[in-house]
Amino acid sequence: AQSVTQLGSHVSVSEGALVLLRCNYSSSVPPYLFWYVQYPNQGLQLLLKYTSAATLVKGINGFEAEFKKSETSFHLTKPSAHMSDAAEYFCAVSAYGGSQGNLIFGKGTKLSVKP
Amino acid sequence: EAQVTQNPRYLITVTGKKLTVTCSQNMNHEYMSWYRQDPGLGLRQIYYSMNVEVTDKGDVPEGYKVSRKEKRNFPLILESPSPNQTSLYFCASSLTGGLSFEQYFGPGTRLTVT
Repeated sequence: AQSVTQLGSHVSVSEGALVLLRCNYSSSVPPYLFWYVQYPNQGLQLLLKYTSAATLVKGINGFEAEFKKSETSFHLTKPSAHMSDAAEYFCAVSAYGGSQGNLIFGKGTKLSVKP
Repeated sequence: EAQVTQNPRYLITVTGKKLTVTCSQNMNHEYMSWYRQDPGLGLRQIYYSMNVEVTDKGDVPEGYKVSRKEKRNFPLILESPSPNQTSLYFCASSLTGGLSFEQYFGPGTRLTVT
């Protein structure tokens, strides 16, 4: 069975600083991985996804993530944080077997950006 | 505009009073799904539908029903709501149920059962 672990339920950075949100996955088969962002009182929006085409994936709003099989990681980064990046971020993996199309989500990391 | 819509956005009800949360998508997606989001637990799938008249249970289906009579609509039904169903609910859709396809989420429905 697949699973996702997000390290740190809350991350705080200063505006202009590097953003690093950690995600580790567990999967016995090659995974499909996603990062979603949830702004206050809104639904989830896809930031980027890994589908085995390239290990470094670029997404919207300047975010990117690198798939590292040896570390079973898919950390999300952004070189310079902006106030508008304050939101909750979810890492997810597509579930093989079980219910079709199911996304297994991590518990989320809330990002705060200080001026 | 391509979107998933949900109604109502906010709902307060009492234990045992049947309710329906509607979900509609305008992207001609085959796959639709319901999740619930609880603090510290992330999102968990309730039910999903691969296409019209094809539905199946997700990870937490107890106390919920769904139907898929039209491609664009996927209502979530709580026949006898209980306080433990107080949660934030999201409907999502995807082109297919394939593993690599992203899901598009609605804005959410915040349900409180007293």
